Amino acid sequence: TQLLEQSPQFLSIQEGENLTVYCNSSSVFSSLQWYRQEPGEGPVLLVTVVTGGEVKKLKRLTFQFGDARKDSSLHITAAQPGDTGLYLCAGAMDNFNKFYFGSGTKLNVKP
Amino acid sequence: NAGVTQTPKFRILKIGQSMTLQCTQDMNHNYMYWYRQDPGMGLKLIYYSVGAGITDKGEVPNGYNVSRSTTEDFPLRLELAAPSQTSVYFCASRARLEVHNEQFFGPGTRLTVL
Repeated sequence: TQLLEQSPQFLSIQEGENLTVYCNSSSVFSSLQWYRQEPGEGPVLLVTVVTGGEVKKLKRLTFQFGDARKDSSLHITAAQPGDTGLYLCAGAMDNFNKFYFGSGTKLNVKP
Repeated sequence: NAGVTQTPKFRILKIGQSMTLQCTQDMNHNYMYWYRQDPGMGLKLIYYSVGAGITDKGEVPNGYNVSRSTTEDFPLRLELAAPSQTSVYFCASRARLEVHNEQFFGPGTRLTVL
C-alpha cells in the first residue's frame, strides 16, 4: 500500500495548458517535497513545504500544503515541453529521518 | 564536488547470486538513503543512516543489508538475489541541518535478476 497517493498517474497536454497534480494521504507529514525526475536520472528537488496551508511559487509552478499537512498540490501554469518528466511528492516523517514517496505523475507536454 | 556517485550503473545477476551496490558522497552529509524504484512507480525506502555506525530499516528492507563505517560510504548488499529485486536502485544523501531537507540523488543502478 502506498502512503501517499498521487493523481493523475499520467497527463498528456498541449503546450500552454494549465495542470494540477495532487498528492493525498491519511497521514500527517512534517514536510512535503516535490521532485522532478528525468528518464535515467535521479529525482531533483523542486520545493519543500513545511507549514500547513503554505503556498510557494517558483515561476510558473505553485505548490500548496494542506492545512492538516496530509495533502499537497502542484499547479503548473502555461506548461512547456521542458516541463515533461515524472513528478514525485515525498512526505517526511519520524523527525525528518524517513521519506515516503508517492507513485508519481508522468507529465508529457506536447509542442 | 562529484555529489553522490553510484557503481555499477548496470548489472545482471542470476538468482541466488550476491552483490554490493556502492554509494559514495563527498558533501560530508550525515544522512544517507537507499531507495528502489520499480518501473512507472515512485521510490520506496530500503534502509537509511543518520550517521556513521547508525543504520535503520525503511519500508522494504527484506533481502538487503547495509553498513555505514564512514560518513562518505553507504553500500547496499544483496545476499541471495531474487527476480523481485529487479529494479533501479537510488542512493541519496542530505545534510542534517538544512531547512529544505533536500536529498541529493545519485544516477542510479539498474539491476536485473534472471
